[in-house]
Amino acid sequence: GQSLEQPSEVTAVEGAIVQINCTYQTSGFYGLSWYQQHDGGAPTFLSYNALDGLEETGRFSSFLSRSDSYGYLLLQELQMKDSASYFCAVPNQAGTALIFGKGTTLSVSS
Amino acid sequence: DSGVTQTPKHLITATGQRVTLRCSPRSGDLSVYWYQQSLDQGLQFLIQYYNGEERAKGNILERFSAQQFPDLHSELNLSSLELGDSALYFCASSPETTGGQRGYTFGSGTRLTVV
Repeated sequence: GQSLEQPSEVTAVEGAIVQINCTYQTSGFYGLSWYQQHDGGAPTFLSYNALDGLEETGRFSSFLSRSDSYGYLLLQELQMKDSASYFCAVPNQAGTALIFGKGTTLSVSS
Repeated sequence: DSGVTQTPKHLITATGQRVTLRCSPRSGDLSVYWYQQSLDQGLQFLIQYYNGEERAKGNILERFSAQQFPDLHSELNLSSLELGDSALYFCASSPETTGGQRGYTFGSGTRLTVV
């Protein structure tokens, strides 16, 4: 089956850079996705990596190493509004639905 | 507005009762997914439909069932409710089952409270 590991909590200050790691175990790999969820809100899609390397989208970047079954989300120039939970996700074995990690709660302070 | 509509937003009901949650996917998306999120828990995959057919099941209890109708809207039925069923229930839709470059689009969720 699939399993994902990510830290439960990360804290940082405004303007800093933070990296949220995710390691996964899956029998068939289709790609690693990241989602953001503010408290009580809907998860929103941030990024998707199917190939090794770094993908940059504004202040957020996502990295994937398929050989290490590892990826990370990099958030730069942190703002208070970045305080949220961040989930990594991989498709299930059949590639029919995303399985999510338990999430990392990011707290940004001034 | 994400384009995925879920109703109702809030639901309070008693143990043993049955409720139906409704979801309309984003226009053009054929896949609908249901997820459960309990307090301090991640998103637990329940079930997926694609163009009216069940495609995948996750950790869905036998007391729960779902269906997708010809107009692609979906309903999640929860019966014999227990206190532990209290959670946020999200519906998501996508054009690709793996998410891909566009990802899943989630609705705003239904907060179910069983008392």
